[in-house]
Amino acid sequence: GENVEQHPSTLSVQEGDSAVIKCTYSDSASNYFPWYKQELGKRPQLIIDIRSNVGEKKDQRIAVTLNKTAKHFSLHITETQPEDSAVYFCAAEGYSTLTFGKGTMLLVSP
Amino acid sequence: DTEVTQTPKHLVMGMTNKKSLKCEQHMGHRAMYWYKQKAKKPPELMFVYSYEKLSINESVPSRFSPECPNSSLLNLHLHALQPEDSALYLCASSQEGAANYGYTFGSGTRLTVV
Repeated sequence: GENVEQHPSTLSVQEGDSAVIKCTYSDSASNYFPWYKQELGKRPQLIIDIRSNVGEKKDQRIAVTLNKTAKHFSLHITETQPEDSAVYFCAAEGYSTLTFGKGTMLLVSP
Repeated sequence: DTEVTQTPKHLVMGMTNKKSLKCEQHMGHRAMYWYKQKAKKPPELMFVYSYEKLSINESVPSRFSPECPNSSLLNLHLHALQPEDSALYLCASSQEGAANYGYTFGSGTRLTVV
């Protein structure tokens, strides 16, 4: 089945800095890659996604890039704010389900 | 309605109890999922229903029994659970019976087995 690796496991930045989280996947047939943000005690919420026919997608301060050849995709958050602090999960679609990475805890200090 | 509703939000049960978790969505999604999430870990897939039929069972112990009475409802029946089953149980749904439209997650049921 699909295997998703996510790095780093923890990321600490100062408010206003950029943050980058990277994921790799194993199944070359996967074609959908969402990112979820999960605040403490809450449900995962979809923040951005990308499909394999697109190399980059941007939504305000958040962007995702995809390199299908290398089988990796990344989340970029610019001008980070304290409310961006959460656990971020990447995922890849395979066999009609999503496989999640292990998560990155992002801490944004004021 | 763009939400997945899960009840109850919290549940404490003894190891000999029988209880059920409920999930409901009215978005017309044809795939529904149960995930288990331990603290600081990613969600782990348990079951997938596609068009009301069980399509994936990730080798989950029989003390967890899923049921899909109709296209809007998904239940998870619990019996003789162990303390290590304590976790956040998340229900999700997606369009067209496939994952490549993204999931909408419910807020979860936080289960404690004593």
